[in-house]
Amino acid sequence: GENVEQHPSTLSVQEGDSAVIKCTYSDSASNYFPWYKQELGKGPQLIIDIRSNVGEKKDQRIAVTLNKTAKHFSLHITETQPEDSAVYFCAATATNFGNEKLTFGTGTRLTIIP
Amino acid sequence: DAGVIQSPRHEVTEMGQEVTLRCKPISGHDYLFWYRQTMMRGLELLIYFNNNVPIDDSGMPEDRFSAKMPNASFSTLKIQPSEPRDSAVYFCASSSQGARSYEQYFGPGTRLTVT
Repeated sequence: GENVEQHPSTLSVQEGDSAVIKCTYSDSASNYFPWYKQELGKGPQLIIDIRSNVGEKKDQRIAVTLNKTAKHFSLHITETQPEDSAVYFCAATATNFGNEKLTFGTGTRLTIIP
Repeated sequence: DAGVIQSPRHEVTEMGQEVTLRCKPISGHDYLFWYRQTMMRGLELLIYFNNNVPIDDSGMPEDRFSAKMPNASFSTLKIQPSEPRDSAVYFCASSSQGARSYEQYFGPGTRLTVT
């Protein structure tokens, strides 16, 4: 089955600086890679996703890059703000087999220092 | 839409007792997922349903855990008997295959403490 590793487990950045979180996956059949944000006391919420036919995707201050050859993908947050403080999870799955299961990474606790 | 609804939000019970967690998915969604979140193991998929039918229960830890989905708007996760190691936050999530976006919408979770 799929195995997703996520680094770092904790990350502190100064407000206004950029944050990068990295994930690797094991199953070459995986083709869908979402990122979820979990705020304290809430369930995870999708913030951005990328499919294997795309190398990069941006949405305002967040972007995700994918390197299929190396089997890794990264989340980039620019101009960080206090409300970006949360736990971020990457995930992977192979959707072309009718599979709806997501395998999640272990999470990164991001703290934005004012 | 109110989103995914879970109840109770907090549950404290003694070892050996039966625990039932409840979930109401978003109307129109045909997939429902149960997850368990702990510091040690992260976010684990326990079981998921498609059109009320269990598709994959390989994540269910043992026979003490069972899940049902009697209709499209309700699902339960039962633990009987409960043990201290079952203490965790349990999330329910739903998604719509028709949207083909694969986005899962999570509920607020139930924090279970077994003493």
